[in-house]
Amino acid sequence: QQPVQSPQAVILREGEDAVINCSSSKALYSVHWYRQKHGEAPVFLMILLKGGEQKGHEKISASFNEKKQQSSLYLTASQLSYSGTYFCGTESGNTGFQKLVFGTGTRLLVSP
Amino acid sequence: DGGITQSPKYLFRKEGQNVTLSCEQNLNHDAMYWYRQDPGQGLRLIYYSQIVNDFQKGDIAEGYSVSREKKESFPLTVTSAQKNPTAFYLCASSGLATTADTQYFGPGTRLTVL
Repeated sequence: QQPVQSPQAVILREGEDAVINCSSSKALYSVHWYRQKHGEAPVFLMILLKGGEQKGHEKISASFNEKKQQSSLYLTASQLSYSGTYFCGTESGNTGFQKLVFGTGTRLLVSP
Repeated sequence: DGGITQSPKYLFRKEGQNVTLSCEQNLNHDAMYWYRQDPGQGLRLIYYSQIVNDFQKGDIAEGYSVSREKKESFPLTVTSAQKNPTAFYLCASSGLATTADTQYFGPGTRLTVL
């Protein structure tokens, strides 16, 4: 089942912060975050694993609440380059093969 | 440069025709995937492959077919049985096909049925 992302869209001024949430009805093993510019391929940002290990970029952080089956992506001091659509991809269960189910995305626009 | 290439970038096809989308990777990745993206929507999995000569249906496989004869290649054929093929198609690969490995995406092919 597809994870739910919120908000669907957000507009920021440069330097402001934003939080994007990703919730699943299934128990999650990992959450993968991507950013996609219009007409381009998604670019990997971060993976969060069950058990708390975190990887990714320094300027963007994320949390993973296993009990709530939810992940949040934190964008601090936003830059113009942060604009795009953010997707979470969730993996349920440790099946030994990675099959991701993606949310419908959160559109972020950062203005000067 | 290592990466994933998809060709063509734009593709137009008449109704009733089959068309094949190319996906090549030189990352030495075991797993490869095909996704479909519709406007304002997320990515939906069409087919995936863990190893050469093996592939599995994803969530929306009807009207599509794939092959995996070489590790670096995973072409997707959109058949005339696909009722609404106009979409953005993305190919991805990951190193070990195991949990928590990053999927890297190609630049995509935008297919339009006329």
